[in-house]
Amino acid sequence: NAGVTQTPKFQVLKTGQSMTLQCAQDMNHNSMYWYRQDPGMGLRLIYYSASEGTTDKGEVPNGYNVSRLNKREFSLRLESAAPSQTSVYFCASSEVRGADYEQYFGPGTRLTVT
Amino acid sequence: EDQVTQSPEALRLQEGESSSLNCSYTVSGLRGLFWYRQDPGKGPEFLFTLYSAGEEKEKERLKATLTKKESFLHITAPKPEDSATYLCAVFNNAGNMLTFGGGTRLMVKP
Repeated sequence: NAGVTQTPKFQVLKTGQSMTLQCAQDMNHNSMYWYRQDPGMGLRLIYYSASEGTTDKGEVPNGYNVSRLNKREFSLRLESAAPSQTSVYFCASSEVRGADYEQYFGPGTRLTVT
Repeated sequence: EDQVTQSPEALRLQEGESSSLNCSYTVSGLRGLFWYRQDPGKGPEFLFTLYSAGEEKEKERLKATLTKKESFLHITAPKPEDSATYLCAVFNNAGNMLTFGGGTRLMVKP
């Protein structure tokens, strides 16, 4: 099993450009998440999808849109990139199995906006 | 609003020198507390979930414990390969989101 995969691994954008970060999981999890990680700020939730067909805002949703394409895939779109969106982006997926809850992360996408 | 505070921010240990990392939290109904390990340039790696006060879990040289206000990650006889940032997060009863602390960067010198 690959777990959670993300593409691309690195990306450089100019201010105003758009792009989509892709995420896929092969664990048959219902819930998926997008986080950003910045020095001194920790991991912050951007958007999440509790199940296929639903999406909800997290702590820092402004400037982003998401699409839950199917149960496996959850994409994050930057419509007009800004330097403040320079960050490392992580996708995660989770499942509740009885009393156990686990959340697994992908390897990340390092985005620089100039 | 849920809050998670980790201390210290950074910890330097000699190989074999045991210590503990702290995670203090306030949450509106704890559903679970998570510990992750993160290596530079990689995504967080799941270690443990703790669900109730008094619970303990172990993995190799790591043991996580939970009280009603904090969690400790005890590292026994650490090795250089234990060097990483350790993240703590809480999950509340109300929603689907984890709230993360800022992490503790652990450096183990040989």
